Amino acid sequence: AQKITQTQPGMFVQEKEAVTLDCTYDTSDPSYGLFWYKQPSSGEMIFLIYQGSYDQQNATEGRYSLNFQKARKSANLVISASQLGDSAMYFCAMGDFQKLVFGTGTRLLVSP
Amino acid sequence: DVKVTQSSRYLVKRTGEKVFLECVQDMDHENMFWYRQDPGLGLRLIYFSYDVKMKEKGDIPEGYSVSREKKERFSLILESASTNQTSMYLCASRGDRMGQPQHFGDGTRLSIL
Repeated sequence: AQKITQTQPGMFVQEKEAVTLDCTYDTSDPSYGLFWYKQPSSGEMIFLIYQGSYDQQNATEGRYSLNFQKARKSANLVISASQLGDSAMYFCAMGDFQKLVFGTGTRLLVSP
Repeated sequence: DVKVTQSSRYLVKRTGEKVFLECVQDMDHENMFWYRQDPGLGLRLIYFSYDVKMKEKGDIPEGYSVSREKKERFSLILESASTNQTSMYLCASRGDRMGQPQHFGDGTRLSIL
């Protein structure tokens, strides 16, 4: 069975600083995908970034990057130059071709 | 852009009622999903469908059923609503290519009184 663990229930960061949100996973599947989603207080789930298990390079999307360490089974999200609008819940998820398994989320608060 | 539309943002129903939550996507996606989200538990998969009239149980299907008569529409049915089904319900869809993310609707906050 696949499992995602997010050990940080909440994180604080000051505006313009970088922050790392932790995610570890467990699976016996050789092929899988790792996803990060952002959920603002309005409730919608916004896709941020994807990393495939066979991808050699870490994924990047603008200010978001995924620090993928396969041997450690970790897929941490790095947000550079935090903005006030980054305050939200962040969910790590992993999946195969169909289903996703989500972590319990990390609430990020960005202060001025 | 992918658009996933859930019929209601907020819904209040009574115990024992039959409740329908509707979800429509406009990207011709094969796969559709229903999740519920509860504080501290993340998102948990209720049911998913990979084709019209096909459905698969997720991790917490008890008390729910689904219907997919058309490719673009996936309905979640609470046969006899109970208070422990008060939750946020999220619908998602995705295509068939590896690496494609699931795209979510805005969610329905359902209260069962």
